Amino acid sequence: AQSVTQLDSHVSVSEGTPVLLRCNYSSSYSPSLFWYVQHPNKGLQLLLKYTSAATLVKGINGFEAEFKKSETSFHLTKPSAHMSDAAEYFCVVSLYSSASKIIFGSGTRLSIRP
Amino acid sequence: DAGVIQSPRHEVTEMGQEVTLRCKPISGHNSLFWYRQTMMRGLELLIYFNNNVPIDDSGMPEDRFSAKMPNASFSTLKIQPSEPRDSAVYFCASSPSHGLGNTIYFGEGSWLTVV
Repeated sequence: AQSVTQLDSHVSVSEGTPVLLRCNYSSSYSPSLFWYVQHPNKGLQLLLKYTSAATLVKGINGFEAEFKKSETSFHLTKPSAHMSDAAEYFCVVSLYSSASKIIFGSGTRLSIRP
Repeated sequence: DAGVIQSPRHEVTEMGQEVTLRCKPISGHNSLFWYRQTMMRGLELLIYFNNNVPIDDSGMPEDRFSAKMPNASFSTLKIQPSEPRDSAVYFCASSPSHGLGNTIYFGEGSWLTVV
């Protein structure tokens, strides 16, 4: 069975320092992987996605993620945090063609300290 | 592109009343999804449609919930009768198709409070 685990429910970093949001997945096959961001009182917005092309994926707002099959990980990083990055981040795995097999992680709340 | 449009954005209703949430997907998208988000349960898929046909409604909580998609540009999620535990944010989303790797585009959500 496929699953996705976001290892931290809350991450707090200082403005200007690196961001690391961790995501591990479980899948017997090569999945598609996504990161979405949700700002307060807003819908979910796609940050980036991996679909079996380059393992290092660049997204919007300076975020990127690296697909590591050996570690079954898809961690989200950003070199320098900005106050506007404060939000909830969701890691998502999609295995089959059926939309009901799209699994959302439980989310990581990112706080930015001035 | 206008994105996925949901209405109402906010609704407060009394227990027992009927609630209808509406969604207009992105033009040309074949798949439409209804999700519910709560603090306790996170994001849950309620139902999804492909080409206006319900494909999987296993996430619909109970018979009080129903969803329709009469055409490619409109869908409704109805709760009748509503209960306080239905209070949540309901997201509609659409996708070009239900294929692997396709991005799901979310609306801004309908914030429902049942008192």
